[in-house]
Amino acid sequence: AQKITQTQPGMFVQEKEAVTLDCTYDTSDQSYGLFWYKQPSSGEMIFLIYQGSYDEQNATEGRYSLNFQKARKSANLVISASQLGVSAMYFCAMRVFSGGYQKVTFGIGTKLQVIP
Amino acid sequence: GAVVSQHPSRVICKSGTSVKIECRSLDFQATTMFWYRQFPKQSLMLMATSNEGSKATYEQGVEKDKFLINHASLTLSTLTVTSAHPEDSSFYICSAREAGGDNEQFFGPGTRLTVL
Repeated sequence: AQKITQTQPGMFVQEKEAVTLDCTYDTSDQSYGLFWYKQPSSGEMIFLIYQGSYDEQNATEGRYSLNFQKARKSANLVISASQLGVSAMYFCAMRVFSGGYQKVTFGIGTKLQVIP
Repeated sequence: GAVVSQHPSRVICKSGTSVKIECRSLDFQATTMFWYRQFPKQSLMLMATSNEGSKATYEQGVEKDKFLINHASLTLSTLTVTSAHPEDSSFYICSAREAGGDNEQFFGPGTRLTVL
C-alpha cells in the first residue's frame, strides 16, 4: 500500500525567509512520481513541481525545489524567499502504476502562513 | 486517518456512452466533495464543488450537462460523464471535506477513464 506522510499540519514563516515542507512516502513500487500542489482558499489545486523516481537530479521550478532523498523516502518541498502570496495549503502526493492500474495518494497537507 | 474511496479505479468505454464514477467517504461524513481532473504533466483542475443536498458549483469552462455531479448523501458523491468522447479520457480524482472538520481535505485514489 502507498502512503504519504506530512507531519506539519501548520507552519509559519517570516516573509522573505525560505521554508521547507516535509513529505515522506512509502511504496513498494519501483516506479513512481512525487509532486506538490498548492491550494489557496479558492479550492483550486495549483501544480508546483514533479519528481520521478528515476530522476537523478532534484526538480526545481522557480522558487520551488524538491529535495528528493530516495533512500530516506522523502520529498521535501523547499520554498525560497517566501512572499505573502505563498500562504496556502500544500499537498504532497505520489502516483504509482501497478499492474496496469494507476493510483494517486495524497498527504493531509500543510497549512503555510507567511508573516509580514 | 479518514479514507476516501473511488469506484471504479479504471474504466474503458466506447465513445458516446455514459460513465459513472463514485466517490465515498468511508469513515466520516463529508458535507463537501470536490472533483478534479488531472492532466498530463500533473496539473490538477478543479471541476466542481458539491455540497450534500444541493446543486454542485461548477468551475468556469466545465460543462455541467456533460459532467453530472450528484451528492445525495454525506458519504457519497457521483460524477457521471455523459456521452463520453476520447478527449474526456483522463484521471479523475475526488476529495472530501469532513463535516465540522478543520477544513481538512482527504483525497481518493483516482479513476482512470479511457474513452475509445
